[in-house]
Amino acid sequence: DIQMTQSPSSLSASLGDRVTITCRASQSISSYLNWYQQKPGKGPKLLIYAAYSLQSGVPSRFSGSGSGTDFTLTIRSLQPEDFATYYCQQSYSAPPTFGGGTKVEIK
Amino acid sequence: QVQLVESGGGVVQRGGSLRLSCAASRFSFSNYAMHWVRQAPGKGLEWVAFIRDDGTTKSYADSVKGRFTISRDNSKNTLYLQMSSLRAEDTAVYYCAKTRATIAAAGPFDYWGQGTLTTVSS
Repeated sequence: DIQMTQSPSSLSASLGDRVTITCRASQSISSYLNWYQQKPGKGPKLLIYAAYSLQSGVPSRFSGSGSGTDFTLTIRSLQPEDFATYYCQQSYSAPPTFGGGTKVEIK
Repeated sequence: QVQLVESGGGVVQRGGSLRLSCAASRFSFSNYAMHWVRQAPGKGLEWVAFIRDDGTTKSYADSVKGRFTISRDNSKNTLYLQMSSLRAEDTAVYYCAKTRATIAAAGPFDYWGQGTLTTVSS
């Protein structure tokens, strides 16, 4: 199985900050990398698929980059509704696997 | 807007069985592969099972293989997860998730339900 490693596991940031979360795959997954946002008590929400494609309805302050083994999720200007936990997931090969999550908290 | 509503969770004794359901609406359910993903309390996401659009192909995580069975009824727009020989480590919120394609065995998952909690007691 492909292992996904996210960093950091948590971070504190202020409104308006630029936030970057990284995800590393244990082998090359081309661009088959997806990002999800999860808020407490809710199911995850797809933000980015195929490394950099924005899911319909997701604000443009979210962006993704990377290919191969190293990927990044960037939130350009943090908004109150962005405080949540973010997960990466590879869809290159079955079984699908997730990173451990990054919790974004208010500083 | 796509809607996925899970039900059937609850408290069950170790070794017991439970069947989860996921009612789908506002999209062509029979055209998409579906998955179950779970989340233990305070933990991350763990993929559980996959079924393709017509139900002919299924796969399972090693941790549940031989104990869980995924199925679907396209005439009822409903996905199921039959869970048996339940263990304490199966305690989790179980989510159904829709894919973007007919045979997306690894996702991505573009819509998720709100989840249903299964607690296995000893």
